[in-house]
Order: sequence, then structure tokens, then C-alpha cells
Amino acid sequence: KQEVTQIPAALSVPEGENLVLNCSFTDSAIYNLQWFRQDPGKGLTSLLLIQSSQREQTSGRLNASLDKSSGRSTLYIAASQPGDSATYLCAVYGNNRLAFGKGNQVVVIP
Amino acid sequence: DAGVTQSPTHLIKTRGQQVTLRCSPISGHKSVSWYQQVLGQGPQFIFQYYEKEERGRGNFPDRFSARQFPNYSSELNVNALLLGDSALYLCASSLESSYNEQFFGPGTRLTVL
Repeated sequence: KQEVTQIPAALSVPEGENLVLNCSFTDSAIYNLQWFRQDPGKGLTSLLLIQSSQREQTSGRLNASLDKSSGRSTLYIAASQPGDSATYLCAVYGNNRLAFGKGNQVVVIP
Repeated sequence: DAGVTQSPTHLIKTRGQQVTLRCSPISGHKSVSWYQQVLGQGPQFIFQYYEKEERGRGNFPDRFSARQFPNYSSELNVNALLLGDSALYLCASSLESSYNEQFFGPGTRLTVL
């Protein structure tokens, strides 16, 4: 059974600092990995998709890396803004399903 | 283009009742998946349907069932509701079943009293 862990569970950073969020998974037999953002009580917004053959993906201030052999992914958010405050979820796709971590709850302090 | 839509937005039921949740995928998407998210946890996989066939089932009791219609919309049914079924139910759609990006709807908040 795939287990996904996200560390740290919660963090606060001052505005302008770079954010680094970590995700690890136990089974490297995955098709892809997605990072999502979730605002309180809302659905999930897809941020980045990394296919298993890729090493990283970038979108604006966001960059995500994938090391499938070691079962790790990292999401970098450059120059954080108060609007980046949310929960960030990592999910790996395999066996016809996404397996999620519990999320990193981020607060960016103005 | 419209994203994934779900109805209703909120629902309050009592123990023992039955509930039906609905999902419409993004136009052109053939795969629909259902997830349950309880407060403070990541979403848990319930079902995946692709071209109207069940392709995956998570570790949920038989009280949970689903189906996909010819227009690719989907329904999730939960019978004999328990207090522990209170959660945010999320629907996701994708073009195909395996390699593609998953897009989520806003969810249905189910409260069981």
C-alpha cells in the first residue's frame, strides 16, 4: 500500500521568503505526482504535474522536483506572498488512484 | 470552459439515511474518481470509473457504490449513513485513466447527525 508523508505538517514564514515543502512516498511504481493547493473548506486546485519520467516542472514562482528512485518530491515557492497561505497536498498516481499525504499547512505572514 | 461541477454543495442527513452525490466532469474527460476527505486528513480514494466501467475501488464498505453514465457524469451513493461518513466528498476528472492530470471539483460537504 502506498504511503505518502509530508513534512512539516505546518509552517509559518514571513512574506518574501522562499517556501520548501517536502513529500515522500514508499512505492516508486508511480505514473506521476501532482501537487495541489487547498483553501479551507474548498476543493483542490492542481498546481503542477510531474510525469514519472521527468525530474522537475516549473510554473511561475512554483518549481517541483521528483526523485522517483528515492521516493521524494519537493515543492519550492519563490518569494512567498500572503495569498500563498493554504494547505499544499502531494499525491502520487498508481493503481488507478491518487494517494495523498496529509498536507503542509502554510501561513505567510505579511 | 466549465470545470468539474458537483451537487449539492452541502447536505445534512441523519444516521441510517441514504444519500446521492453528483459529479459532472470537464467536457471531453472520460474518467471520474471519487475521494473522501475528513477534517485534517488528505483525501482517501473511493472509486474510479473510466468509460462507464469501474477501474478501481478503495477500502470502503459496500454501503458505498457509484456509477458513470453515457455522458460521463457520475453518481456516488452511500447507504445506511453513519456519523463517520461526515466528510467532504471530492470528484476528480481526467482525460484518460492513468497518465493525465486530475482536476477536482469544489466538493460536497456531507454532515451526518
